[in-house]
Amino acid sequence: EDKVVQSPLSLVVHEGDTVTLNCSYEVTNFRSLLWYKQEKKAPTFLFMLTSSGIEKKSGRLSSILDKKELFSILNITATQTGDSAVYLCAAGGSNYKLTFGKGTLLTVNP
Amino acid sequence: NAGVTQTPKFHILKIGQSMTLQCTQDMNHNYMYWYRQDPGMGLKLIYYSVGAGITDKGEVPNGYNVSRSTTEDFPLRLELAAPSQTSVYFCASSLNTGTSGNTIYFGEGSWLTVV
Repeated sequence: EDKVVQSPLSLVVHEGDTVTLNCSYEVTNFRSLLWYKQEKKAPTFLFMLTSSGIEKKSGRLSSILDKKELFSILNITATQTGDSAVYLCAAGGSNYKLTFGKGTLLTVNP
Repeated sequence: NAGVTQTPKFHILKIGQSMTLQCTQDMNHNYMYWYRQDPGMGLKLIYYSVGAGITDKGEVPNGYNVSRSTTEDFPLRLELAAPSQTSVYFCASSLNTGTSGNTIYFGEGSWLTVV
């Protein structure tokens, strides 16, 4: 059975801090790992990673994948209160179904 | 710029009643999905479809049915609603690139309460 585990489950930081969110996966015929940000409503897409060691970056957010160790990290630098959300990690196999982790609830306090 | 549209956004259902959550997408995506999200439990796949006329079960299909008569529409039917089906339901779609992965796009969600 495919499995995705995220850690920590929740995290409270102060504005300006840097955070690292972790995601490990076990997926048959792994193809891609995706990160989503979920605020009040639907998850919104952040990154898709398919190759090891290649960092994807968007502003203060970055992510990298290690296919040998089966994990990914999402980094957020200089956090802002608007970064407060649940961050979801999902892994997809050859059947294109995504298996989601439980998410990390990030709270950024002013 | 519609993307994935779900209706209704909120609904209260009595135990034993049936209802259909509607989902339509205008991106010509071949794959469509229904997920449910319970607090602290992440997203669980209920059913998915790889194209019109083809559907398959996900992780938690019991109590639900789907159909896919067109590329655009993928309704989810709840038969004999139970309190355990109180959840937030997300419809999603993706374009199967046939290469190294795909990104799925979510609808806004449907909040369903069974009382």
